[in-house]
Amino acid sequence: DIQMTQSPSTLSASVGDRVTITCRASQSISSWLAWYQQKPGKAPKLLIYKASSLESGVPSRFSGSGSGTEFTLTISSLQPDDFATYYCQQYNSYSAPTFGGGTKVEIK
Amino acid sequence: QVTLRESGPALVKPTQTLTLTCTFSGFSLSTSGMCVSWIRQPPGKALEWLALIDWDDDKYYSTSLKTRLTLSKDTSKNQVVLTMTNMDPVDTATYYCARTFGGASDYWGQGTQVTVSS
Repeated sequence: DIQMTQSPSTLSASVGDRVTITCRASQSISSWLAWYQQKPGKAPKLLIYKASSLESGVPSRFSGSGSGTEFTLTISSLQPDDFATYYCQQYNSYSAPTFGGGTKVEIK
Repeated sequence: QVTLRESGPALVKPTQTLTLTCTFSGFSLSTSGMCVSWIRQPPGKALEWLALIDWDDDKYYSTSLKTRLTLSKDTSKNQVVLTMTNMDPVDTATYYCARTFGGASDYWGQGTQVTVSS
């Protein structure tokens, strides 16, 4: 199975900060990567698919980039509603999609 | 609009079989490319992908859990059923079903909490 490694595991930031989260795949997944946001007690929410495509209704301050094995999720100006845990997921094949370990974005 | 809802027992005993049902609306699992996935999350831990069933009735399972998982669908009832055998306390988690199209899961159920305890 393809392993997904997210960094950092925790990130402390202030409102207005630019935030970057990295996800690395153990082998090339082309652009088959999604990013999700999850708040406590809630289901994950799709933010980005195919590495850089913004899901409908998601604010434009969220952006994704990368291909192959290295990917980033960037929040251009952190808002109070963005404090949450973020997960990457590779879906290079239906047979074994895998999630990263998550990045918790906390208030500094 | 698209909705999904998981249902099943909140408590199961070790060695029992868990049966979860995902009832959905707003889309058809007969549509080419449409899939339903199951994902779980143990308390305080990361998401773990479990299984996926597609519009063509092809099924895919987690490598580590495939001997314990079975998926089925009833297209007429808009339901997908996941069974997991030989439950263990480490299987305690919130279980989610999600609509998956093109690989990413764009709509999720609220999740159902399952505790494995004697």
